[in-house]
Amino acid sequence: GENVEQHPSTLSVQEGDSAVIKCTYSDSASNYFPWYKQELGKRPQLIIDIRSNVGEKKDQRIAVTLNKTAKHFSLHITETQPEDSAVYFCAASKGGGADGLTFGKGTHLIIQP
Amino acid sequence: GAGVSQTPSNKVTEKGKYVELRCDPISGHTALYWYRQSLGQGPEFLIYFQGTGAADDSGLPNDRFFAVRPEGSVSTLKIQRTERGDSAVYLCASSPQGLPFNGYTFGSGTRLTVV
Repeated sequence: GENVEQHPSTLSVQEGDSAVIKCTYSDSASNYFPWYKQELGKRPQLIIDIRSNVGEKKDQRIAVTLNKTAKHFSLHITETQPEDSAVYFCAASKGGGADGLTFGKGTHLIIQP
Repeated sequence: GAGVSQTPSNKVTEKGKYVELRCDPISGHTALYWYRQSLGQGPEFLIYFQGTGAADDSGLPNDRFFAVRPEGSVSTLKIQRTERGDSAVYLCASSPQGLPFNGYTFGSGTRLTVV
């Protein structure tokens, strides 16, 4: 089955700086890659996703890149703000996402004031 | 309803007991998913339903776990002979049928503690 590795497990950046979280996946048939943000004690919330037919997608301060050949994808957050502090999970799925997702172990992002 | 509803929000049970966890999806959503999230880990896929049938139950860890969705709406996750290792937050999510898939909405989860 699919295996998703996520790095780093903890990332501390100064407010206003950029943060990058990286994931690799093992199944070349995976074609849907979402990112979820989870604040302490709350449910995971989808923040951005990308499908295998594009290499990059941007939404305001958040962007995701995908390299299908290398089987890795990354989340980029620019101009970080205190409210960006949370745990971020990457995930991968076949079937365009309608099948179950395989999640990474998460990155705890800490924004230092 | 406005969102995915899960009950109870917290459940404490003794080792060996049977528990049922309920998920009420967003009205009209035909796909329903169960995940389990242990402390410090990402959600782990358990099972997903399209309508009344389980389209993929490959994530259920063993035969103590079972889920049903008899009318294609509410789903119940059933755990027999609970073990301490079953302690986790059980998350439910739903999505409308069809592609392109636009992600799904998670419920708030049921925190299960087996003592």
